[in-house]
Amino acid sequence: DAGIIQSPKHEVTEMGQTVTLRCEPIFGHNFLFWYRDTFVQGLELLSYFRSRSIIDNAGMPTERFSAERPDGSFSTLKIQPAEQGDSAVYVCASRTRPRGNYEQYFGPGTRLTVT
Amino acid sequence: QKEVEQDPGPLSVPEGAIVSLNCTYSNSAFQYFMWYRQYSRKGPELLMYTYSSGNKEDGRFTAQVDKSSKYISLFIRDSQPSDSATYLCAMSARNYGQNFVFGPGTRLSVLP
Repeated sequence: DAGIIQSPKHEVTEMGQTVTLRCEPIFGHNFLFWYRDTFVQGLELLSYFRSRSIIDNAGMPTERFSAERPDGSFSTLKIQPAEQGDSAVYVCASRTRPRGNYEQYFGPGTRLTVT
Repeated sequence: QKEVEQDPGPLSVPEGAIVSLNCTYSNSAFQYFMWYRQYSRKGPELLMYTYSSGNKEDGRFTAQVDKSSKYISLFIRDSQPSDSATYLCAMSARNYGQNFVFGPGTRLSVLP
């Protein structure tokens, strides 16, 4: 089952450090999404890509957050510098087509703890 | 007011019970409604998808949408311990782009 792969599963870091999260979408999925799950607000969209282009990153909470998808396959989400309020689960999702919001597949998430 | 409200639970029921999970929303433009199930340490997976008002049934699961009340429900009949998970509602105004909003999820435990 070649689902979405997110790494690491759990990241513990200190305030002020740089955190890089990685997502490998399902092969052939052109659209890739980064969500944050704080368990209070539910899943919140941070940004999404079509191929290597960012389509929307209005959900990024601050300029400390950035996302890349350099060759249109895997993507990284970077937080620099990390703050305690960034602790959450970061979930990646992907799908093939622009239509069909329901055709989105989700990864298991990376749990980030900032101390 | 949040755009999508959902009782976080936890909700505990005995095996075999009928479970009712609900979401309310404020945006009358929402037309596409989804229910996801999320097991511990896994990503959400799509359970049901409905468009506009009405009911949709799939096995033990029934999704109901009442757009006039801005209220959606997921019913689980003959609940099983394997149904224990977090259930997320999500909704969007369009079937394309990426403008759908998730509820915070309801944690369900079905006790054997």
